Amino acid sequence: ILNVEQSPQSLHVQEGDSTNFTCSFPSSNFYALHWYRWETAKSPEALFVMTLNGDEKKKGRISATLNTKEGYSYLYIKGSQPEDSATYLCAFNTGGFKTIFGAGTRLFVKA
Amino acid sequence: DTEVTQTPKHLVMGMTNKKSLKCEQHMGHRAMYWYKQKAKKPPELMFVYSYEKLSINESVPSRFSPECPNSSLLNLHLHALQPEDSALYLCASSQDRTGMYYEQYFGPGTRLTVT
Repeated sequence: ILNVEQSPQSLHVQEGDSTNFTCSFPSSNFYALHWYRWETAKSPEALFVMTLNGDEKKKGRISATLNTKEGYSYLYIKGSQPEDSATYLCAFNTGGFKTIFGAGTRLFVKA
Repeated sequence: DTEVTQTPKHLVMGMTNKKSLKCEQHMGHRAMYWYKQKAKKPPELMFVYSYEKLSINESVPSRFSPECPNSSLLNLHLHALQPEDSALYLCASSQDRTGMYYEQYFGPGTRLTVT
């Protein structure tokens, strides 16, 4: 059974803090790693799709790195803002349409 | 328009009822997905349709019956559900034929309660 683990489960930070969290996935049969942000009462929204070992992607204050050989990805948020409060999901694709999600990291940013 | 819509937002049904969930997108995506999510758990893939054909069924009980009448619409027909089927049901779509390299666009979900 393929497992995607995310840590920590939840995280409380102050406005302005930089933070990061981890997604661990199987290092074999890797095709793609997706990151999504899911705000309460809204739809999950795609942040990044990462496919190559060593990939780094950035969108504003959010960036992500990928290590397919050891099976992990980091998501970084620089200078957290209250509007960054959300659940951050990663999803591992083993080829084709099957995507396996982690349970997410719930981020709370206090003003 | 990058929106995926789902109706209804909330549904309460008895174990003998028949109901349907509806999902719609107008982005020209040819892959559509149903996921089930229980509280504090990851979304779990249920079904995938590609070009209106069922591509993946993750051993979902037959009381859940998917349907893709056209490229914009995805339904999930529910019959004789159990209380443990209560969950958030998410619909998603993506543009890639193979499903891997493009992000999925999600609807807001239908919160289902089975009594």
